Amino acid sequence: GGIITQTPKFLIGQEGQKLTLKCQQNFNHDTMYWYRQDSGKGLRLIYYSITENDLQKGDLSEGYDASREKKSSFSLTVTSAQKNEMAVFLCASSSRDRGSDYTFGSGTRLLVI
Amino acid sequence: GMPVEQNPPALSLYEGADSGLRCNFSTTMKSVQWFQQNHRGRLITLFYLAQGTKENGRLKSTFNSKERYSTLHIKDAQLEDSGTYFCAAESSGTYQRFGTGTKLQVVP
Repeated sequence: GGIITQTPKFLIGQEGQKLTLKCQQNFNHDTMYWYRQDSGKGLRLIYYSITENDLQKGDLSEGYDASREKKSSFSLTVTSAQKNEMAVFLCASSSRDRGSDYTFGSGTRLLVI
Repeated sequence: GMPVEQNPPALSLYEGADSGLRCNFSTTMKSVQWFQQNHRGRLITLFYLAQGTKENGRLKSTFNSKERYSTLHIKDAQLEDSGTYFCAAESSGTYQRFGTGTKLQVVP
């Protein structure tokens, strides 16, 4: 079976800092996604990528950059962390033509002090 | 309005009870997924539907694209069913959008 791994699991940053989150999957999935989830809320799409080197904006792309270096990895950068920001960032992947195999990572919990 | 409206926002069930969750869509969707998020925050896929009804054990989901809704029915609720349930739907030419979730608590 495959696995999708997010690193780090916890991230504490300072205001104004640039922070990078990483995601790796070995399902050979074409599409990868980054979501942000605020406490008690739903998921909002930040960026997604349908293949290596592709990048598509979601609803919440402002303040973030992303990079699909290779098919198996997708990284997200918070360009300037906001003070008191606290959220969970979730990575997911799926096959291009089979949404039924959508799989999430376990998340990166961000706290900005 | 929001493309995906989910209700109720919270639900409390006794063990053994049956209940349903619903998502309404503001536009025609081509597919819907249902996810469960456990207390550790892990999201697992329950169903993916392009049409019709699917069942898996005590769970059943229906998607009616024409009427713009989907339901998730839980039968004989168990303590381990507690968590937050999300629907997410995709319309043609755009990406999947999530509802705001239903927080389910099953009590003894």
